[in-house]
Amino acid sequence: NAGVTQTPKFQVLKTGQSMTLQCAQDMNHEYMSWYRQDPGMGLRLIHYSVGAGITDQGEVPNGYNVSRSTTEDFPLRLLSAAPSQTSVYFCASALERGIGYTFGSGTRLTVV
Amino acid sequence: GDSVTQMEGPVTLSEEAFLTINCTYTATGYPSLFWYVQYPGEGLQLLLKATKADDKGSNKGFEATYRKETTSFHLEKGSVQVSDSAVYFCALSESGGSNYKLTFGKGTLLTVNP
Repeated sequence: NAGVTQTPKFQVLKTGQSMTLQCAQDMNHEYMSWYRQDPGMGLRLIHYSVGAGITDQGEVPNGYNVSRSTTEDFPLRLLSAAPSQTSVYFCASALERGIGYTFGSGTRLTVV
Repeated sequence: GDSVTQMEGPVTLSEEAFLTINCTYTATGYPSLFWYVQYPGEGLQLLLKATKADDKGSNKGFEATYRKETTSFHLEKGSVQVSDSAVYFCALSESGGSNYKLTFGKGTLLTVNP
């Protein structure tokens, strides 16, 4: 049981490049989400999904796209990277509210 | 909207000292409350939780009680160890519907010296 797997662990992008951060879970969780963590800001929700085919915006969605074609996968796409997107990105999943959320180990992204 | 406020750090303690990290929240309904811990270079791990008023969550010697009257969920440990050095996040999940979103505090860095 791998839990929540994020790839890559580290990435450096040039301004304007696009990329996809991968997130997969093998716990059959319906809820998945993406957060970014910045110093002094805590974690902020980017996008979330409550099941396959259903996604919605979080607190800071601009510059990011998501899709949820399967229960297991929830990729995050950066359309045109900007230095302001330099951050650590975490994917999380949950079976239902109130039980607790399982986090991946994170992707550290630097945009130069 | 929902919000979580936790005490600003950093907090530096000696081994075996008593720990309190304050957390208060604002929510429109009856949220579930969580404490997460992040060790250096790692992701977040659920430390403990409480889903209704007066519930006490506990794990690894840490405790927190859901106080609806004071909208608080303070984290405590009677005797900290060097291995407890980490960043601690208080979080809430609002009740109702399909709202599974977590709202986090900004985190409190704890350093425990031997």
